[in-house]
Amino acid sequence: DIQMTQSPSSLSASVGDRVTITCRASQSITSHLSWYQQKPGKSPKLLIYVASSLQSGVPSRFSGSGSGTDFTLTISTLQPEDFATYYCQQTYSTPLTFGGGTKVEIK
Amino acid sequence: EVQVEESGGGLVQPGGSLRLSCAAFGFTFSSYWMDWVRQAPGKGLEWVANINQDGSDKNYVDSVKGRFTISRDNAKNSLYLQMNSLRAEDTAVYYCVRDRRNFLVRGVIITRAQFDSWGQGTLVTVSS
Repeated sequence: DIQMTQSPSSLSASVGDRVTITCRASQSITSHLSWYQQKPGKSPKLLIYVASSLQSGVPSRFSGSGSGTDFTLTISTLQPEDFATYYCQQTYSTPLTFGGGTKVEIK
Repeated sequence: EVQVEESGGGLVQPGGSLRLSCAAFGFTFSSYWMDWVRQAPGKGLEWVANINQDGSDKNYVDSVKGRFTISRDNAKNSLYLQMNSLRAEDTAVYYCVRDRRNFLVRGVIITRAQFDSWGQGTLVTVSS
């Protein structure tokens, strides 16, 4: 199975900050990586697919990059509605494994 | 509007069984792969199983193989998860998810999973 490791597990940031979350795969997954946002009590929402493609309706302040084993999710200017938990997921092979999550909290 | 709605969760004793259902609305259900993803209380996301459009291809995470069965009824626009021999560690919110792999999105066909629509989830609690 492909293991996905996210870092950090949590971070505190202020509105307007630039935030970067990293995700590392235990083997190459080429560009088959998705990012999701989950708010408390809600279901996850697709933000980024195939590492860098922005899902329709997602604000352009979200961006993804990387290939192979190392990936990043960047929020260019953090907004109040962005405080949530973010998960990466490899879609290269089953089982389709998720990272452990990164909780973005208000500083 | 694309919607998926889970039902069937509840409290069950260890060793018991439960069948989850997922009703799909607003899209051609028979054209999509479908998945189940779960989330234990306060924990992260875990993919559980998926099924292709006609039900001929099914995949499971190792921890549920032999105990859970995914199925679908395209005539009823419905997805199911039969869960047997339930354990305490199966306690979680179970999400029904649409997988848009092999669809044309912004001029590109992506051949791997993309979970673009999630239900609100149904809670399964395994406890005596």
